[in-house]
Amino acid sequence: SQQGEEDPQALSIQEGENATMNCSYKTSINNLQWYRQNSGRGLVHLILIRSNEREKHSGRLRVTLDTSKKSSSLLITASRAADTASYFCATDRGTGTASKLTFGTGTRLQVTL
Amino acid sequence: DGGITQSPKYLFRKEGQNVTLSCEQNLNHDAMYWYRQDPGQGLRLIYYSQIVNDFQKGDIAEGYSVSREKKESFPLTVTSAQKNPTAFYLCASSIVRGEREKLFFGSGTQLSVL
Repeated sequence: SQQGEEDPQALSIQEGENATMNCSYKTSINNLQWYRQNSGRGLVHLILIRSNEREKHSGRLRVTLDTSKKSSSLLITASRAADTASYFCATDRGTGTASKLTFGTGTRLQVTL
Repeated sequence: DGGITQSPKYLFRKEGQNVTLSCEQNLNHDAMYWYRQDPGQGLRLIYYSQIVNDFQKGDIAEGYSVSREKKESFPLTVTSAQKNPTAFYLCASSIVRGEREKLFFGSGTQLSVL
Protein backbone atom coordinates (compact mmCIF):
# COMPACT_ATOMS: atom_id res chain seq x y z
CA SER A 1 0.00 0.00 0.00
CA GLN A 2 1.12 3.57 -0.58
CA GLN A 3 2.56 5.17 2.51
CA GLY A 4 2.61 8.70 1.16
CA GLU A 5 -0.18 10.53 -0.58
CA GLU A 6 0.49 13.80 -2.36
CA ASP A 7 -1.94 16.63 -2.72
CA PRO A 8 -2.85 18.03 -5.18
CA GLN A 9 -2.54 15.37 -7.87
CA ALA A 10 -1.96 18.08 -10.46
CA LEU A 11 -0.98 21.73 -10.23
CA SER A 12 -0.75 24.35 -12.97
CA ILE A 13 0.87 27.72 -12.30
CA GLN A 14 2.53 30.53 -14.18
CA GLU A 15 6.24 31.15 -14.21
CA GLY A 16 7.34 33.20 -11.23
CA GLU A 17 4.59 31.91 -8.93
CA ASN A 18 5.21 29.63 -5.97
CA ALA A 19 4.16 25.99 -6.00
CA THR A 20 3.20 24.09 -2.85
CA MET A 21 2.76 20.34 -2.68
CA ASN A 22 1.68 18.37 0.35
CA CYS A 23 2.38 14.83 1.46
CA SER A 24 0.68 12.77 4.15
CA TYR A 25 1.84 9.43 5.49
CA LYS A 26 0.58 6.81 7.88
CA THR A 27 3.31 5.32 10.04
CA SER A 28 6.41 6.53 11.85
CA ILE A 29 9.37 7.34 9.64
CA ASN A 30 13.13 7.67 9.78
CA ASN A 31 13.22 10.40 7.16
CA LEU A 32 11.12 11.84 4.34
CA GLN A 33 12.49 12.61 0.92
CA TRP A 34 11.26 14.50 -2.13
CA TYR A 35 12.09 13.46 -5.67
CA ARG A 36 11.45 14.92 -9.08
CA GLN A 37 10.74 12.96 -12.27
CA ASN A 38 10.66 14.31 -15.79
CA SER A 39 8.43 12.37 -18.14
CA GLY A 40 9.86 8.98 -19.04
CA ARG A 41 13.00 9.49 -16.98
CA GLY A 42 14.42 8.35 -13.67
CA LEU A 43 13.89 10.14 -10.38
CA VAL A 44 16.21 12.82 -9.09
CA HIS A 45 16.61 13.42 -5.38
CA LEU A 46 15.73 16.94 -4.27
CA ILE A 47 15.88 17.07 -0.50
CA LEU A 48 15.87 14.82 2.59
CA ILE A 49 14.47 15.83 5.96
CA ARG A 50 15.00 13.65 9.02
CA SER A 51 12.31 12.91 11.59
CA ASN A 52 13.95 15.23 14.15
CA GLU A 53 14.00 18.18 11.75
CA ARG A 54 11.10 20.56 11.12
CA GLU A 55 12.25 22.62 8.16
CA LYS A 56 14.95 22.47 5.52
CA HIS A 57 15.97 24.69 2.62
CA SER A 58 17.86 24.01 -0.58
CA GLY A 59 18.03 26.80 -3.15
CA ARG A 60 14.45 27.58 -4.19
CA LEU A 61 13.10 24.58 -2.28
CA ARG A 62 11.67 24.64 1.22
CA VAL A 63 10.48 21.48 2.94
CA THR A 64 8.61 21.24 6.22
CA LEU A 65 7.87 18.16 8.28
CA ASP A 66 5.21 17.81 10.98
CA THR A 67 5.56 14.37 12.55
CA SER A 68 2.58 14.95 14.86
CA LYS A 69 0.33 15.38 11.82
CA LYS A 70 2.32 12.91 9.70
CA SER A 71 2.62 15.44 6.91
CA SER A 72 5.19 17.31 4.86
CA SER A 73 5.10 20.10 2.33
CA LEU A 74 7.39 21.09 -0.52
CA LEU A 75 7.48 24.72 -1.60
CA ILE A 76 9.13 25.74 -4.85
CA THR A 77 9.57 29.50 -5.00
CA ALA A 78 9.76 31.63 -8.16
CA SER A 79 8.92 28.68 -10.38
CA ARG A 80 10.37 28.26 -13.84
CA ALA A 81 9.16 26.40 -16.91
CA ALA A 82 11.99 23.94 -16.31
CA ASP A 83 10.36 22.97 -12.99
CA THR A 84 7.61 21.20 -14.95
CA ALA A 85 7.76 17.59 -13.74
CA SER A 86 6.17 15.13 -11.34
CA TYR A 87 7.15 15.41 -7.70
CA PHE A 88 7.08 12.48 -5.29
CA CYS A 89 7.45 12.26 -1.56
CA ALA A 90 8.99 9.10 -0.18
CA THR A 91 9.08 7.89 3.39
CA ASP A 92 11.93 5.77 4.71
CA ARG A 93 10.62 2.92 6.78
CA GLY A 94 13.77 0.82 6.63
CA THR A 95 15.02 -0.97 9.69
CA GLY A 96 18.30 -2.20 8.28
CA THR A 97 21.01 -0.38 6.40
CA ALA A 98 19.10 -0.10 3.13
CA SER A 99 16.72 2.78 2.44
CA LYS A 100 13.33 1.11 2.00
CA LEU A 101 11.45 4.02 0.54
CA THR A 102 7.68 4.04 0.04
CA PHE A 103 6.58 6.49 -2.61
CA GLY A 104 3.38 8.45 -2.96
CA THR A 105 1.45 8.82 -6.20
CA GLY A 106 3.01 12.18 -7.02
CA THR A 107 1.99 15.71 -7.94
CA ARG A 108 2.22 16.70 -11.60
CA LEU A 109 3.39 20.30 -11.80
CA GLN A 110 2.94 22.33 -14.97
CA VAL A 111 4.65 25.73 -15.11
CA THR A 112 3.57 27.89 -18.04
CA LEU A 113 5.24 30.97 -19.46
CA ASP B 1 30.98 10.19 -14.88
CA GLY B 2 29.57 8.25 -11.95
CA GLY B 3 26.06 6.98 -12.21
CA ILE B 4 23.62 4.16 -12.77
CA THR B 5 23.14 2.64 -16.19
CA GLN B 6 20.02 0.70 -17.08
CA SER B 7 19.64 -1.23 -20.30
CA PRO B 8 17.85 -1.63 -22.53
CA LYS B 9 15.72 1.52 -22.55
CA TYR B 10 12.83 -0.39 -24.18
CA LEU B 11 12.15 -4.12 -23.92
CA PHE B 12 9.41 -6.31 -25.31
CA ARG B 13 8.39 -9.64 -23.82
CA LYS B 14 6.56 -12.44 -25.53
CA GLU B 15 4.07 -14.66 -23.74
CA GLY B 16 5.82 -17.18 -21.49
CA GLN B 17 9.22 -15.58 -21.90
CA ASN B 18 11.66 -14.55 -19.19
CA VAL B 19 13.47 -11.27 -19.73
CA THR B 20 16.36 -9.70 -17.84
CA LEU B 21 16.85 -6.00 -17.17
CA SER B 22 20.37 -4.80 -16.58
CA CYS B 23 21.48 -2.35 -13.90
CA GLU B 24 25.10 -1.30 -13.40
CA GLN B 25 26.47 1.35 -11.05
CA ASN B 26 29.93 2.86 -10.66
CA LEU B 27 29.13 4.89 -7.56
CA ASN B 28 30.64 2.29 -5.21
CA HIS B 29 27.29 2.02 -3.43
CA ASP B 30 26.58 -1.01 -1.30
CA ALA B 31 22.79 -1.00 -1.57
CA MET B 32 20.81 -1.44 -4.78
CA TYR B 33 17.07 -1.52 -5.45
CA TRP B 34 14.49 -2.31 -8.10
CA TYR B 35 11.23 -0.39 -8.31
CA ARG B 36 8.24 -0.76 -10.60
CA GLN B 37 6.20 2.26 -11.74
CA ASP B 38 2.78 1.98 -13.36
CA PRO B 39 1.22 4.94 -15.20
CA GLY B 40 0.05 7.68 -12.89
CA GLN B 41 1.26 5.84 -9.83
CA GLY B 42 4.15 5.95 -7.43
CA LEU B 43 7.00 3.49 -7.28
CA ARG B 44 6.69 0.07 -5.66
CA LEU B 45 9.67 -1.83 -4.31
CA ILE B 46 10.37 -5.20 -5.95
CA TYR B 47 13.70 -6.30 -4.46
CA TYR B 48 16.64 -4.72 -2.72
CA SER B 49 20.17 -5.73 -1.79
CA GLN B 50 22.27 -4.31 1.02
CA ILE B 51 25.44 -6.21 0.18
CA VAL B 52 26.88 -8.59 -2.40
CA ASN B 53 25.36 -12.08 -2.41
CA ASP B 54 22.40 -10.95 -0.32
CA PHE B 55 19.01 -9.59 -1.33
CA GLN B 56 15.57 -9.17 0.19
CA LYS B 57 12.03 -9.18 -1.19
CA GLY B 58 10.20 -5.91 -1.39
CA ASP B 59 6.46 -5.36 -1.54
CA ILE B 60 5.80 -6.95 -4.95
CA ALA B 61 8.47 -9.62 -5.47
CA GLU B 62 6.21 -12.33 -6.93
CA GLY B 63 7.12 -13.11 -10.53
CA TYR B 64 10.54 -11.46 -10.29
CA SER B 65 14.03 -12.68 -9.42
CA VAL B 66 17.37 -10.95 -8.84
CA SER B 67 21.02 -11.73 -8.24
CA ARG B 68 23.85 -9.72 -6.70
CA GLU B 69 27.12 -11.42 -7.64
CA LYS B 70 29.04 -8.17 -8.00
CA LYS B 71 28.79 -4.90 -6.11
CA GLU B 72 28.30 -3.00 -9.36
CA SER B 73 25.53 -5.12 -10.84
CA PHE B 74 21.96 -5.98 -9.82
CA PRO B 75 20.05 -7.57 -12.74
CA LEU B 76 16.29 -8.12 -12.53
CA THR B 77 14.59 -11.04 -14.28
CA VAL B 78 10.90 -10.73 -15.05
CA THR B 79 9.68 -14.31 -15.22
CA SER B 80 6.70 -15.78 -17.06
CA ALA B 81 4.98 -15.99 -13.66
CA GLN B 82 4.59 -12.21 -13.70
CA LYS B 83 1.23 -11.91 -15.46
CA ASN B 84 1.16 -8.14 -15.75
CA PRO B 85 4.75 -7.12 -16.49
CA THR B 86 4.07 -3.98 -18.53
CA ALA B 87 5.55 -1.12 -16.52
CA PHE B 88 8.47 1.26 -16.18
CA TYR B 89 11.28 -0.34 -14.15
CA LEU B 90 13.71 1.77 -12.18
CA CYS B 91 16.96 0.70 -10.60
CA ALA B 92 18.51 2.71 -7.77
CA SER B 93 21.44 2.62 -5.39
CA SER B 94 22.44 4.23 -2.13
CA ILE B 95 25.38 4.41 0.21
CA VAL B 96 25.17 2.57 3.49
CA ARG B 97 26.18 4.42 6.60
CA GLY B 98 24.86 5.05 10.08
CA GLU B 99 21.89 6.99 8.80
CA ARG B 100 20.00 5.93 5.71
CA GLU B 101 20.44 8.19 2.76
CA LYS B 102 19.00 9.25 -0.57
CA LEU B 103 18.64 7.05 -3.62
CA PHE B 104 20.30 7.59 -6.97
CA PHE B 105 18.18 6.37 -9.89
CA GLY B 106 18.90 5.10 -13.36
CA SER B 107 16.95 6.33 -16.38
CA GLY B 108 14.62 3.33 -16.43
CA THR B 109 13.54 0.49 -18.71
CA GLN B 110 10.07 0.42 -20.27
CA LEU B 111 8.89 -3.18 -20.53
CA SER B 112 5.94 -4.04 -22.75
CA VAL B 113 4.23 -7.29 -23.62
CA LEU B 114 3.88 -8.27 -27.29
